Amino acid sequence: SQQGEEDPQALSIQEGENATMNCSYKTSINNLQWYRQNSGRGLVHLILIRSNEREKHSGRLRVTLDTSKKSSSLLITASRAADTASYFCATDGVYGNQFYFGTGTSLTVIP
Amino acid sequence: EPEVTQTPSHQVTQMGQEVILRCVPISNHLYFYWYRQILGQKVEFLVSFYNNEISEKSEIFDDQFSVERPDGSNFTLKIRSTKLEDSAMYFCASGRDRNQETQYFGPGTRLLVL
Repeated sequence: SQQGEEDPQALSIQEGENATMNCSYKTSINNLQWYRQNSGRGLVHLILIRSNEREKHSGRLRVTLDTSKKSSSLLITASRAADTASYFCATDGVYGNQFYFGTGTSLTVIP
Repeated sequence: EPEVTQTPSHQVTQMGQEVILRCVPISNHLYFYWYRQILGQKVEFLVSFYNNEISEKSEIFDDQFSVERPDGSNFTLKIRSTKLEDSAMYFCASGRDRNQETQYFGPGTRLLVL
């Protein structure tokens, strides 16, 4: 299975702190994406990082990708209560066009 | 900003009934997908659709499922005879390109089979 696995499964931090979530996957990819999901809601695309990129920034988000370790991390800086959600990494396959989602990290930011 | 829309947002049905979930992908996208998420579990791929045919499907997508693009804008998922275990959130997604490109997800349809 190519499905990613995030860790930790749950993370609780104080507002203003940084949150780091990790994702590991098993096979070669073209790109890796991070999505956010508020409870019972749809998936919101956050950031895409291609296999030839090592780091990408978008606002308070920083994503790294280490293809040699088949892992990625998502850093949310200066967290806010509104960042409370589940965060998923999704990988594609080199040959397929489906996405494989991880189990997600449930982030709680305490005001 | 263009977005994927899905209807209905919630659907309750009796076991054995047929349901059709509807999606309107982003207009210039060519690739369409259905995923599902059983409560508390991972998002799972069901099927991808391109050029009016299924390009890839998972083991979940058995004979009770079918997809269709009946006109230039809608993309539907039909479940012929629903089972209790079909209860899940169903997400439609669309993308412009097969690779090197993100998929944009709709808000989902929550299906409850009683």
